[in-house]
Amino acid sequence: GAGVSQSPRYKVAKRGQDVALRCDPISGHVSLFWYQQALGQGPEFLTYFQNEAQLDKSGLPSDRFFAERPEGSVSTLKIQRTQQEDSAVYLCASSLELAGSYEQYFGPGTRLTVT
Amino acid sequence: AQKVTQAQTEISVVEKEDVTLDCVYETRDTTYYLFWYKQPPSGELVFLIRRNSFDEQNEISGRYSWNFQKSTSSFNFTITASQVVDSAVYFCALSEAGSARQLTFGSGTQLTVLP
Repeated sequence: GAGVSQSPRYKVAKRGQDVALRCDPISGHVSLFWYQQALGQGPEFLTYFQNEAQLDKSGLPSDRFFAERPEGSVSTLKIQRTQQEDSAVYLCASSLELAGSYEQYFGPGTRLTVT
Repeated sequence: AQKVTQAQTEISVVEKEDVTLDCVYETRDTTYYLFWYKQPPSGELVFLIRRNSFDEQNEISGRYSWNFQKSTSSFNFTITASQVVDSAVYFCALSEAGSARQLTFGSGTQLTVLP
């Protein structure tokens, strides 16, 4: 079946611009996660949704970052007034979250470059 | 707080050699989950294995094997008879049962298999 898809794959933004990154999870997956991966580093958790409810946003680095999943499927990560330190790959993952099945399946990521 | 350490930043081997990637974790939870992911040059994280904290049985899948030792808080990954296609960054990750299931990743090990 189809995996997690993300769009756009690449985004170049001028400092101060707003950006929106989209994630389409695997159909039927209850949980959705956003991670930020800086060059040469492991992914770092940003936020987590269970269906449409945002249950954890402790990893969002500032109030310029906002995520939503209004209908419990597609999610959007929005970054306002982008800064150079926001340059990274943003990864989305989804999980079925049935008992004993907590694997997260990742999308290809969106590489954001802020100039 | 949970932490994952992958001390090997880069490993280079010649094809057909065996190679072991080390992973050491820290957690206060008694129930947790350990994962290995592969990130090839294309960038997409590929799920390899999940291991529950209450199951210390080692696992073998083809050329891959995993050694989980709670006594040393380690979850090492061995590739037998390595191939060029194994070249990638490998990440070890931890999820605590009491959390929102977010993954805490190590910094990754870049494996290069030379022909």
